[in-house]
Amino acid sequence: GESVGLHLPTLSVQEGDNSIINCAYSNSASDYFIWYKQESGKGPQFIIDIRSNMDKRQGQRVTVLLNKTVKHLSLQIAATQPGDSAVYFCAETSTGTASKLTFGTGTRLQVTL
Amino acid sequence: DTGVSQDPRHKITKRGQNVTFRCDPISEHNRLYWYRQTLGQGPEFLTYFQNEAQLEKSRLLSDRFSAERPKGSFSTLEIQRTEQGDSAMYLCASSRAGGNTGELFFGEGSRLTVL
Repeated sequence: GESVGLHLPTLSVQEGDNSIINCAYSNSASDYFIWYKQESGKGPQFIIDIRSNMDKRQGQRVTVLLNKTVKHLSLQIAATQPGDSAVYFCAETSTGTASKLTFGTGTRLQVTL
Repeated sequence: DTGVSQDPRHKITKRGQNVTFRCDPISEHNRLYWYRQTLGQGPEFLTYFQNEAQLEKSRLLSDRFSAERPKGSFSTLEIQRTEQGDSAMYLCASSRAGGNTGELFFGEGSRLTVL
């Protein structure tokens, strides 16, 4: 079936550098995308979302980019901090599906000092 | 702490036993979800309630699984005749209807190990 996936399973960055986590989706019906962060032993935590009528959205230190042509989205984290170390998931859904999210497999971000 | 609590946090059981997990969502949230997560994978949708009504169930939810939300507040997820393949983290989440629909508030999960 159609699913959301990630290109890189592990990303290692130095503290202070910018991080870019990528995600590919295959369900062309998806029009709403969300990034979640999951720290060890905890449930996923909402970071930022974007709808398909946008190609960029910024939050605090985070930016999500959406390229609908190639069905790709990315999460950029500026000035990565040790507290950013976690597994990051992209998720997709369609408007009106009551938050039935399809998650990708996740990318582990390791921040080195 | 997101405000969603799950109990127990860990459960070890023998194959064939029944287990029940409880979820207490954020009080003003009328939507409640159950997801399952295995090691190294993203969460998989199991089922969803709006108030006390179970509105959607995944094909992953076999007839050994049953979820309830009798009063539209807390929810239980029961697994009967557990199998080793049921070993996973069971995550509960809640959200407001009509709000930012992708922002689910997850609990810390109930980890099930079936021996």
